[in-house]
Amino acid sequence: GAGVSQTPSNKVTEKGKYVELRCDPISGHTALYWYRQSLGQGPEFLIYFQGTGAADDSGLPNDRFFAVRPEGSVSTLKIQRTERGDSAVYLCASSSYRGGNTQYFGPGTRLTVL
Amino acid sequence: GDSVTQMEGPVTLSEEAFLTINCTYTATGYPSLFWYVQYPGEGLQLLLKATKADDKGSNKGFEATYRKETTSFHLEKGSVQVSDSAVYFCALSDSDTGNQFYFGTGTSLTVIP
Repeated sequence: GAGVSQTPSNKVTEKGKYVELRCDPISGHTALYWYRQSLGQGPEFLIYFQGTGAADDSGLPNDRFFAVRPEGSVSTLKIQRTERGDSAVYLCASSSYRGGNTQYFGPGTRLTVL
Repeated sequence: GDSVTQMEGPVTLSEEAFLTINCTYTATGYPSLFWYVQYPGEGLQLLLKATKADDKGSNKGFEATYRKETTSFHLEKGSVQVSDSAVYFCALSDSDTGNQFYFGTGTSLTVIP
């Protein structure tokens, strides 16, 4: 079946602009995660959804970052007033139930802030 | 808090050499442990996992054993191939601290013919 998809694959924006990154999880997966991966580093957790609600947003770096999942499927990560330090690959993952279950990752969106 | 410490790279091996990539962890509960692989230009893929102590995960000739006494989950392969060239990430998921994954920094492996 289809895996996790993310759009766009690449996004170049200017400092101060607003961006939206989209994630389409595996069908039927109730849990959805966003991570950020900087060059040469492992992914770092941003936010986790169980269904429509954000169960854990402790990884969001500041209030410029926000994510929604209004119907419990597709999620959008929103970044306001982008800064050069936001440049990274943003990864989305989904899993079928909580508690250490395997997360399946999308290909990521490479965000470049000029 | 929870964390994963992974052997730093890069690692360069000749084809058919033995591979070990060390991974140790710190966790408050009883984590599940994972190895993910990222091939050039591709996304993260699950390589193997173990969900409790003494479990051995295996896939594509790779193995890792969940050692609670040494808090380790070292990745091994007896004979590497050029196609194994990739970045390998050790990760843990601890239900006591939520459902996020904690990743190591990754180890880049290059296998030369």
